[in-house]
Amino acid sequence: NAGVTQTPKFRVLKTGQSMTLLCAQDMNHEYMYWYRQDPGMGLRLIHYSVGEGTTAKGEVPDGYNVSRLKKQNFLLGLESAAPSQTSVYFCASSYLRLAGGPGETQYFGPGTRLLVL
Amino acid sequence: LAKTTQPISMDSYEGQEVNITCSHNNIATNDYITWYQQFPSQGPRFIIQGYKTKVTNEVASLFIPADRKSSTLSLPRVSLSDTAVYYCLVGPIWKMDSNYQLIWGAGTKLIIKP
Repeated sequence: NAGVTQTPKFRVLKTGQSMTLLCAQDMNHEYMYWYRQDPGMGLRLIHYSVGEGTTAKGEVPDGYNVSRLKKQNFLLGLESAAPSQTSVYFCASSYLRLAGGPGETQYFGPGTRLLVL
Repeated sequence: LAKTTQPISMDSYEGQEVNITCSHNNIATNDYITWYQQFPSQGPRFIIQGYKTKVTNEVASLFIPADRKSSTLSLPRVSLSDTAVYYCLVGPIWKMDSNYQLIWGAGTKLIIKP
């Protein structure tokens, strides 16, 4: 199993350009997440999805859009990139386990470094 | 929303037990407490999760007092490879919560010395 993969690993954009970050998971997880992480800070949730065809806003959704047309893929789009969106973007997937007591583990991808000039 | 507070950094030595405490005074009834480890240029990795009392797995223990306003991650006999940033995460695992949010702390940078 590849786990969670992210494409691309690194990208440089000019202000106003658009791009799409791709996240793929092969664990058949229901839930998927997009986070951003800025230097010296924790992760902040951008958007999340509880299943194919459904998405919801997280803590910092402005400037981003997402889609989950297939269960294994979660796309993050930047329609008009801004320097404030320079960050490392992490995708994660998870499932809700009930055996042995409820719990959830998020599995993270390696991240995408985005620089907006 | 439950805000978390952790020490910015900690130092310890190989073979010692390390305890990292996270404060979450406004934790909600539906919230769980999860700890993740992150190495440079990698995504976070799950360590342990709990709701109340004590949880132990093969790598760590998690202590949660009765009021759940704080939690302590305990790493027994640390090694140099445990040098990383440790995050405390508080939030519900049930996604149907209309106020679903995940609040990550700023992380504790743990440095293990030989």
